[in-house]
Amino acid sequence: DSGVTQTPKHLITATGQRVTLRCSPRSGDLSVYWYQQSLDQGLQFLIQYYNGEERAKGNILERFSAQQFPDLHSELNLSSLELGDSALYFCASSGGDNSYEQYFGPGTRLTVT
Amino acid sequence: QQPVQSPQAVILREGEDAVINCSSSKALYSVHWYRQKHGEAPVFLMILLKGGEQMRHEKISASFNEKKQQSSLYLTASQLSYSGTYFCGTEASDKIIFGKGTRLHILP
Repeated sequence: DSGVTQTPKHLITATGQRVTLRCSPRSGDLSVYWYQQSLDQGLQFLIQYYNGEERAKGNILERFSAQQFPDLHSELNLSSLELGDSALYFCASSGGDNSYEQYFGPGTRLTVT
Repeated sequence: QQPVQSPQAVILREGEDAVINCSSSKALYSVHWYRQKHGEAPVFLMILLKGGEQMRHEKISASFNEKKQQSSLYLTASQLSYSGTYFCGTEASDKIIFGKGTRLHILP
């Protein structure tokens, strides 16, 4: 158990819909990262937040947005969903004693039908 | 630019050694290595920083050649638990880009 929690574990929704994925980082970690993993694209970095502020942006689509709240939990919002958005979405946190090490949550499996 | 990992897959017998390579065309700040078992989340192995020392994690070590923008992961005396997919993530301009992964299968 990495200490990072993600909800929900599974999500099935239709094209065009909007969903919100939630992540709670390990206690004391200030950074949250979001990743998308699909079979054909591999593991892709989406975005990083540090203590509530956006720190780095990867290949995140304009239909996707994220934020980190004062209690440091983070949400990833995916809108106008397409079939190709079906993937595993991982969140990771870092910034505790060893600030470089990232601890991954169990992931949310999103299926768009 | 996505880093290139080689080989794509490796099959070893328990106790054998393996080397996984990761190369990038961009100037890198750091290289991260992760292992992911089927159906599980990636697990951090180590990070190599520009100008830093070679790192170790149990019987796994890695090096970072800054001039060539290459990193290698060395698995010594492999154990069954080492099976999984190994990803390198290269960091440049505050972004981490992952390679496609190297699948490692250890046979007893």
